[in-house]
Amino acid sequence: EPEVTQTPSHQVTQMGQEVILRCVPISNHLYFYWYRQILGQKVEFLVSFYNNEISEKSEIFDDQFSVERPDGSNFTLKIRSTKLEDSAMYFCASTHTGLAKNIQYFGAGTRLSVL
Amino acid sequence: AQSVTQLGSHVSVSEGALVLLRCNYSSSVPPYLFWYVQYPNQGLQLLLKYTSAATLVKGINGFEAEFKKSETSFHLTKPSAHMSDAAEYFCAVSFPGGSYIPTFGRGTSLIVHP
Repeated sequence: EPEVTQTPSHQVTQMGQEVILRCVPISNHLYFYWYRQILGQKVEFLVSFYNNEISEKSEIFDDQFSVERPDGSNFTLKIRSTKLEDSAMYFCASTHTGLAKNIQYFGAGTRLSVL
Repeated sequence: AQSVTQLGSHVSVSEGALVLLRCNYSSSVPPYLFWYVQYPNQGLQLLLKYTSAATLVKGINGFEAEFKKSETSFHLTKPSAHMSDAAEYFCAVSFPGGSYIPTFGRGTSLIVHP
């Protein structure tokens, strides 16, 4: 069964460093998403991406964050200058179009630890 | 605005006992409702969904949920718990016809005792 894959599974970084989290969505999906889950809290929407541009973003997704689809398979989330409060689990998801948009397929997540 | 409340951050049951995980939603329009499961070190996996068809929805691994509009609830049940059901369960709501981006509850950790 096709799945969303995320790398790395765990990323440790120093405060102020840039990190790039990588995702390979399901190959025929057209919508891509990033979510984060701070330990013990809700899964929160960050951003959605369609047709090579951001279609929606939350208040969390400020200028420190950016997303990119650098090639036909990868979808990345970049955090420019990490803060302690960026420590969280980051999930990538993808969906098809139309009514199938309501079924999101999630990756296993990347645990980001900012020291 | 839509929201989801999951009652109980932890639910503990014995193997073979009934599992009941509670979810109440708030939505100004008829919602889509979902239950996701997260096993340790894995991503969120869709258990089942309600998209305005039958109110009793059957999912994978023997789970089911019933949409009750009058109670604004979408509780998840399973008649007999297995050890392998131990996981984190998330209820989520989205708007049909909109961006479909789900709003998640805080999650309920299901603990299954032998």
